[in-house]
Amino acid sequence: GQNIDQPTEMTATEGAIVQINCTYQTSGFNGLFWYQQHAGEAPTFLSYNVLDGLEEKGRFSSFLSRSKGYSYLLLKELQMKDSASYLCAVEDSNYQLIWGAGTKLIIKP
Amino acid sequence: IAGITQAPTSQILAAGRRMTLRCTQDMRHNAMYWYRQDLGLGLRLIHYSNTAGTTGKGEVPDGYSVSRANTDDFPLTLASAVPSQTSVYFCASSDGGQADTQYFGPGTRLTVL
Repeated sequence: GQNIDQPTEMTATEGAIVQINCTYQTSGFNGLFWYQQHAGEAPTFLSYNVLDGLEEKGRFSSFLSRSKGYSYLLLKELQMKDSASYLCAVEDSNYQLIWGAGTKLIIKP
Repeated sequence: IAGITQAPTSQILAAGRRMTLRCTQDMRHNAMYWYRQDLGLGLRLIHYSNTAGTTGKGEVPDGYSVSRANTDDFPLTLASAVPSQTSVYFCASSDGGQADTQYFGPGTRLTVL
């Protein structure tokens, strides 16, 4: 079967760094996406990884290890507006996205 | 440019009623998708369309139908709604193919009583 695992909820402090992990087992792999979803809103694209390694984009970075079926999203210099759910999704062999349940990130002052 | 719009924003529906959720995009994307999002579960694909005139079944298609008469519109129909179809429904679109970012509409919150 296909499975994407993420922690349900995490708490971090404003200004700190947080790492959100995602592990996956899917039928094929054509890349991994991270999306951000604020409460009551639509998901919005954050990052895409298809090769092993780290992709940096401002305060956000995403890492992929295909051999380990593992990715993480790293958020630096946390701001209150980063309070949201972060969704991990894997593009399978049919180019369909398989989604994790999301990690709710709570930022405290 | 609106991007991708959905209507209605929310709806309360009696079980057994027929309902069509509307989705329109103005980005000329080839592919469109319908997902449902339920608490504690990931987004689940209901139906998709890789290009106008074609549709396909996703992970949870039962009880739903779609059509893709043109590039812009991708309506989702519940022929006879049941309470288990209570959910938030998101429409999305993309250029299609590998590594294409999906862009989401604002969602429709549907409650079936």
